[in-house]
Amino acid sequence: EVQLLESGGGLVQPGGSLRLSCAASGFTFSSYAMSWVRQAPGKGLEWVSAISGSGGSTYYADSVKGRFTISRDNSKNTLYLQMNSLRAEDTAVYYCAKIPHYATVTTPYFDYWGQGTLVTVSS
Amino acid sequence: QSVLTQPPSVSGAPGQRVTISCTGSSSNIGAGYDVHWYQQLPGTAPKLLIYGNSNRPSGVPDRFSGSKSGTSASLAISGLQAEDEADYYCQSYDSSLSGSVFGGGTKLTVL
Repeated sequence: EVQLLESGGGLVQPGGSLRLSCAASGFTFSSYAMSWVRQAPGKGLEWVSAISGSGGSTYYADSVKGRFTISRDNSKNTLYLQMNSLRAEDTAVYYCAKIPHYATVTTPYFDYWGQGTLVTVSS
Repeated sequence: QSVLTQPPSVSGAPGQRVTISCTGSSSNIGAGYDVHWYQQLPGTAPKLLIYGNSNRPSGVPDRFSGSKSGTSASLAISGLQAEDEADYYCQSYDSSLSGSVFGGGTKLTVL
């Protein structure tokens, strides 16, 4: 059974940093591209970033480019999102999501989602 | 303002059929990129409902169907049930933005 478990969310001041983690199990983690998708309170879904199975290719939404960094440790079956220079508008539940083989990391869809971790940016 | 436009809400009585539209442009749906649909029950993570315009993952009832034409796509739900009450999102790729895009979401109310 595929399981994705996010952690690392919390309250951070504007301009601060936070690192999210997503522990994966139930599939061969290194064989699949992964992504982060966020949802502001009461709002819709927004794609944030994606990474290839090897970690060699990364992609970002314009809203986070230059501030967020996606990475993975395939030896630990874990996906990360390093978030710097955080803004109030980054407040959201952050979901990690698996990209199936039928899709590509550049034109993905998401077949499994974690339960999400809440990031609140406020002073 | 979402790149993909969905109606904010739709409703229907149990047993009825409803459709949810997803309107894009020449840089996303109209460019031939696939459309995918997700169901988000209250307080839970999204769940993949339809992929590649019209394909259902294993376990999704055949009451759910998807279609695409031109710059738009649609999700149809037949035999509406109370458990279908949820938010529904379409998703595609946009070449102008070089990234995935979601619709703003549609809240389905079962009357």
